[in-house]
This record gives sequence, structure tokens and C-alpha cells, in this order.
Amino acid sequence: EAGVTQSPTHLIKTRGQQATLRCSPISGHTSVYWYQQALGLGLQFLLWYDEGEERNRGNFPPRFSGRQFPNYSSELNVNALELEDSALYLCASGDKMNTEAFFGQGTRLTVV
Amino acid sequence: AQRVTQPEKLLSVFKGAPVELKCNYSYSGSPELFWYVQYSRQRLQLLLRHISRESIKGFTADLNKGETSFHLKKPFAQEEDSAMYYCALVGISARQLTFGSGTQLTVLP
Repeated sequence: EAGVTQSPTHLIKTRGQQATLRCSPISGHTSVYWYQQALGLGLQFLLWYDEGEERNRGNFPPRFSGRQFPNYSSELNVNALELEDSALYLCASGDKMNTEAFFGQGTRLTVV
Repeated sequence: AQRVTQPEKLLSVFKGAPVELKCNYSYSGSPELFWYVQYSRQRLQLLLRHISRESIKGFTADLNKGETSFHLKKPFAQEEDSAMYYCALVGISARQLTFGSGTQLTVLP
């Protein structure tokens, strides 16, 4: 069974640009979670999507947004990139029957 | 609001010594608690969950509702236990996964 996949693995952008990160959940999972893992700050909750709808968002500015598609894959968009957005962005998926979350390998975003 | 607190950012113990990673939570209800682990260069993965009451890799964790704690324990630490450990909570109604800030465990030879 394929796990959670994220693309790209690495992304380098300049300040002010936009970044788009993608996540494919495990087949059958309807929930997708996005987290930011910045150096020394642990996992910061960004967004939670379930069945195509945004269920909750963390304490991040509106330039962090996303969406979930009918096939439950998800995109995270970060507009007007700032240097401090440099981090590992993790996606996780889950289903209704099991509260365990399965994580992807992450996208390393570097803003220069 | 649900919140998970891991008071220790860094923890070092010697091989063979007992280890305890602390986790406290706040949630108005009965949550489900987890410990996730991230070994070097590997993806974050589930270590154990309180409802299964099992020991994984020698680790156990007991949910103490009175103290709202879910500390992770192992009687004899091994070098391969060195990793980042995250305590996490899922609310029964909201089903949102909330993580603590993590504890970097280093087991010294």
C-alpha cells in the first residue's frame, strides 16, 4: 500500500514569491493535515481538511492557504514568501475509523 | 481548546538508564493520546497510543486523567532510542490532531 506522498521533496524560492506544495493521502483516507516543522519549533499545526472542506486552521497568517480536491489530495499554498517560512512542511492523512495519522516525508522549503 | 505540553526540549540519558518523557495535556473531554517518534532521516511515525495499552520497543505510557498526563517511559534506554518524540492528542468530537513541541532524546553510550 502506498504511503502518504508529498511533492516536491525540496523547493527553493525567493522572498515574495509563491510556493505550492502537494500531498497525496493514503487511499481511502479523507483527512489531510498540514504542519510546519521549523528548526527548533517542533510541529506547528497549519490546516486540516476533511472531505473537501477546511475544518480548522492554526495560528498562521492568511497567506497560508490550501485546498482539498475531490480525490482527497491536497495543496498548500504560501503567498508572499518570507525568509522565516523556510521549514519542513509535513502532510499527514487519516480516516474516520482510525485516529492514527500517517505522515509523508515532507517538503523542505527554503526561502532565500 | 486542546493543548499538549512537553516541558523538556532536550533530554539526555546514558544507555541502560531509565527514561521518562513528560507530556501534559488540556482538553475538556476524553481525548485520545499518542506518542509519535521521528528517527533521524525518517518520517514521523506512530509509536504508541493509550487505548491499545501496549508496549512498543520497550516503551509504555499511562494516561493519568487526574493529572492530565501521558508520560512515556522505558526502564532501560538504548542508543537506538535517540530520536525526536512528540506527544499528540485527538479530541473525540473535533478529531483534530494536536502535537506538543517535542522532546529530543539522546541516549549516550
